[in-house]
Amino acid sequence: ELKVEQNPLFLSMQEGKNYTIYCNYSTTSDRLYWYRQDPGKSLESLFVLLSNGAVKQEGRLMASLDTKARLSTLHITAAVHDLSATYFCAVDIYGNNRLAFGKGNQVVVIP
Amino acid sequence: GAVVSQHPSWVICKSGTSVKIECRSLDFQATTMFWYRQFPKQSLMLMATSNEGSKATYEQGVEKDKFLINHASLTLSTLTVTSAHPEDSSFYICSAFAVRETGAYEQYFGPGTRLTVT
Repeated sequence: ELKVEQNPLFLSMQEGKNYTIYCNYSTTSDRLYWYRQDPGKSLESLFVLLSNGAVKQEGRLMASLDTKARLSTLHITAAVHDLSATYFCAVDIYGNNRLAFGKGNQVVVIP
Repeated sequence: GAVVSQHPSWVICKSGTSVKIECRSLDFQATTMFWYRQFPKQSLMLMATSNEGSKATYEQGVEKDKFLINHASLTLSTLTVTSAHPEDSSFYICSAFAVRETGAYEQYFGPGTRLTVT
């Protein structure tokens, strides 16, 4: 069964601290996406990871991909309130750019 | 960067009526678009792949006669929810792939359409 699992599903973060959220997937794929969604809004693209060992950083967010472990991580450095959102990972598991999404990591950053 | 628009952004309809949702790629051509639905506080579920000039490809469990997809041009795909029922109430999001300035191939999402069936 095809699965994309994210954890933790909910994470309360303290401002200024570092956190990591995880995305595991069940079948082979060499393309993984991270998106951000604010309440009532659509998805904003954060990262596209295309190969094993890929690491990308943008501001306080850094994403990495380990295709052998079928694991991607999204690391948040010195969390700030503006990073409160739900983060989805998606994997091209089905092929032809058809993506399977995880359930999302809901992040709330508190002062 | 690439922009995908949807119309309407929000629609309320009565049970039994049909609703059409438009998805447009504004600054690029998209031979393939995708339709997703998202229930409150849940993930996105891929419904179908919309192919320009040919029939849509539906995912398992999605009723093709209920969710009619037409990809009439390289910039427009439409999703029609036929004989809508309250359980069809959801957030419908379309997407399309485009090549970024960097050369990376990336998926862009529309702003979504919130459908409420009363």
